[in-house]
Amino acid sequence: GAGVSQTPSNKVTEKGKYVELRCDPISGHTALYWYRQSLGQGPEFLIYFQGTGAADDSGLPNDRFFAVRPEGSVSTLKIQRTERGDSAVYLCASSLSFSSTDTQYFGPGTRLTVL
Amino acid sequence: QKEVEQDPGPLSVPEGAIVSLNCTYSNSAFQYFMWYRQYSRKGPELLMYTYSSGNKEDGRFTAQVDKSSKYISLFIRDSQPSDSATYLCAMTGTGGGNKLTFGTGTQLKVEL
Repeated sequence: GAGVSQTPSNKVTEKGKYVELRCDPISGHTALYWYRQSLGQGPEFLIYFQGTGAADDSGLPNDRFFAVRPEGSVSTLKIQRTERGDSAVYLCASSLSFSSTDTQYFGPGTRLTVL
Repeated sequence: QKEVEQDPGPLSVPEGAIVSLNCTYSNSAFQYFMWYRQYSRKGPELLMYTYSSGNKEDGRFTAQVDKSSKYISLFIRDSQPSDSATYLCAMTGTGGGNKLTFGTGTQLKVEL
């Protein structure tokens, strides 16, 4: 079946602009996660959703970052007033539930470059 | 100090070698341990998942967990050029939710 998909695959923007990154999870997966991976680093947790609600947003670096999942499926990560330090690969993952024993399946990521 | 420490490498080995990859962690709340493989410009994919201390084997891969030492390992036998990738250890606790804490990743190259 189809895996996790993310669009766009690459996004180049200018400092100060607004961007939206989209994630389509595996059908039927109720848990959805966003991570950020900087060059040469492992992914860092940002936020996760159980259904439509954000169950834990403790990883969001500041209030310029926001994510939604209005219908419990597709999620959008929104970044306002982008800064050069936001440049990274943004990874989305989904799992059947939020249980610690459920495998997280990752998408290919969106590579964000802020000039 | 990071919660999970992993040598970033790069690690270069000849084809057929046994590869040993390791992570240490500081948070006793971590109970579930994973190894992910990430090819260049791809998302991580799960290789191995373990819960308790001890060994778990799957084909050429063996995962080892020592909770008393807060140390986990991944062994790859008969390494192949197709194993060339970045290997990420990841872990999570039992406190509800499933947010993963990753190591830096070790870049592995298996040479012909």
